[in-house]
Amino acid sequence: AQTVTQSQPEMSVQEAETVTLSCTYDTSENNYYLFWYKQPPSRQMILVIRQEAYKQQNATENRFSVNFQKAAKSFSLKISDSQLGDTAMYFCAFMKHAGANSKLTFGKGITLSVRP
Amino acid sequence: NAGVTQTPKFQVLKTGQSMTLQCAQDMNHEYMSWYRQDPGMGLRLIHYSVGAGITDQGEVPNGYNVSRSTTEDFPLRLLSAAPSQTSVYFCASSTIYEQYFGPGTRLTVT
Repeated sequence: AQTVTQSQPEMSVQEAETVTLSCTYDTSENNYYLFWYKQPPSRQMILVIRQEAYKQQNATENRFSVNFQKAAKSFSLKISDSQLGDTAMYFCAFMKHAGANSKLTFGKGITLSVRP
Repeated sequence: NAGVTQTPKFQVLKTGQSMTLQCAQDMNHEYMSWYRQDPGMGLRLIHYSVGAGITDQGEVPNGYNVSRSTTEDFPLRLLSAAPSQTSVYFCASSTIYEQYFGPGTRLTVT
């Protein structure tokens, strides 16, 4: 079974600064997907970024980028130029491989607060 | 294109009552799932379906029932509500590598 660990329950960052959210996972699979989801106070789950394990290049989406270390089973999210709208809960998630019934295993989440 | 819709948004039940949480998607996805979100626990998979007529259990299936008679709909039934089922419930519809979540249902069982 896969496990996803987010060890920091809360973080805070000043507006316009950079913050990194940590995530580690455990799996015996070689082919899989990793995700970061954002959940603002509205409760909606929003996909932030996706990483395919077979790709060595780290995924980026505008101000969001990941540091994917496959050997270390680490998948951190970097948010650059933090904005007040980035205040939310962030979940790291794992999926075995494309077509594997699309079942996600989530970490417990981290609450990020962006200070004005 | 409404995506994934869930009803109701909020519900209060008494212990022992039954109810159905509705979920519908208009993206013609084969895969659909139900998750529950509890504080400090992340989201946990309750049941999932890989197509009409096919369902299977996830991590926390006890006390819940599902069926999938059409591609569009995937209702979640609480057979006899218990306070431990107080949670936020999310339905998701998936392609092979991305999940689209509904807005969630906050359920309180007293």
